[in-house]
Amino acid sequence: DTGVSQDPRHKITKRGQNVTFRCDPISEHNRLYWYRQTLGQGPEFLTYFQNEAQLEKSRLLSDRFSAERPKGSFSTLEIQRTEQGDSAMYLCASSFLRQGEEKLFFGSGTQLSVL
Amino acid sequence: SQKIEQNSEALNIQEGKTATLTCNYTNYSPAYLQWYRQDPGRGPVFLLLIRENEKEKRKERLKVTFDTTLKQSLFHITASQPADSATYLCALIMDTGRRALTFGSGTRLQVQP
Repeated sequence: DTGVSQDPRHKITKRGQNVTFRCDPISEHNRLYWYRQTLGQGPEFLTYFQNEAQLEKSRLLSDRFSAERPKGSFSTLEIQRTEQGDSAMYLCASSFLRQGEEKLFFGSGTQLSVL
Repeated sequence: SQKIEQNSEALNIQEGKTATLTCNYTNYSPAYLQWYRQDPGRGPVFLLLIRENEKEKRKERLKVTFDTTLKQSLFHITASQPADSATYLCALIMDTGRRALTFGSGTRLQVQP
């Protein structure tokens, strides 16, 4: 499978616990994005990387959230001290820029439930 | 403030008819606009990209129009099939200082057999 893969698919945690999600992008893509999606809404941008550099972060990304992309390959998104409001689908996407345009290729997401 | 608006009400149509979905945006003039399809429990899948200098783009049974004066894109599915039932999202870059796509909330399409 050469698509974007995310792990785990589902995560149930108790409020206050830390969680970490992993994303493996399409290998030739140099850009990686994290989005969050709640029921009935479109994906909301969280952050993105070009290679290993984190170039943009949304105001949604509080100091409890941290993302890394060591060596410009896979990425991790960590949420510390989870809150019930963090419950959502966390989507990862990768892309490469071609002629000023890019199309995002999404993984199937990690569904987080905070109890 | 800048925003993208899609009809939040589900669109129900009969198989074989043409479905038309609307995407309106404010303020910014994007260089291009994209449409994605999303099935329940899955990530969005890219369908079409239309540039600001293109009025219309087609791909098989799909057609997208882009009116930069009205700040509106229309997405059409002709000869719709039950398998076309999904949520359709439009997306564009909302600000010159941003690189990331902003998505609308999507419109759910239900095609009845």
